[in-house]
Amino acid sequence: QKEVEQNSGPLSVPEGAIASLNCTYSDRGSQSFFWYRQYSGKSPELIMSIYSNGDKEDGRFTAQLNKASQYVSLLIRDSQPSDSATYLCAARYNQGGKLIFGQGTELSVKP
Amino acid sequence: DVKVTQSSRYLVKRTGEKVFLECVQDMDHENMFWYRQDPGLGLRLIYFSYDVKMKEKGDIPEGYSVSREKKERFSLILESASTNQTSMYLCASTKGSGRASDTQYFGPGTRLTVL
Repeated sequence: QKEVEQNSGPLSVPEGAIASLNCTYSDRGSQSFFWYRQYSGKSPELIMSIYSNGDKEDGRFTAQLNKASQYVSLLIRDSQPSDSATYLCAARYNQGGKLIFGQGTELSVKP
Repeated sequence: DVKVTQSSRYLVKRTGEKVFLECVQDMDHENMFWYRQDPGLGLRLIYFSYDVKMKEKGDIPEGYSVSREKKERFSLILESASTNQTSMYLCASTKGSGRASDTQYFGPGTRLTVL
């Protein structure tokens, strides 16, 4: 069965620090990977997507993909209290757009 | 911007009632999805649709049905609501281009309580 695994947390970091969120996936056929942020009581919103090995940067966010190790990560630089949320990792393994989600990692950024 | 809307943010129903949750997207997306999200269980796929009048079961279809009569609208139906269907329901859509960049966008969610 295809799975996406994340540490549930909570992950606590001080304001201004780098938060590192990790995700592993079981299916080598997975093609695309997505990081969503979800505030309590709200729906998931897309932060970043990555499809190729290596790093992809967008502002304070960097996604990293290592297909050989089946590993995806999200780094948040200069963490802010407003970054406190649950971060969902998702993998897509076919063309139909269907995603497999991890359980999510709760991040808490302390002022 | 992609916009996915859901008919209600909060809904309270009684056991045994028939419940309709509506989802509309305005970006001409081919694929639409219904999930439920519960604490500790994450997002679970109920049903999805790749085209009008087409539907496929997800991981937890029992107790639910769907309808997609128009491309922009995907409805989730609880035929006879039960208390274990109390949950947050999330609708999502994707363009269905087949590209790696095809992204799933979520609606605001409906928090359903079944008493």
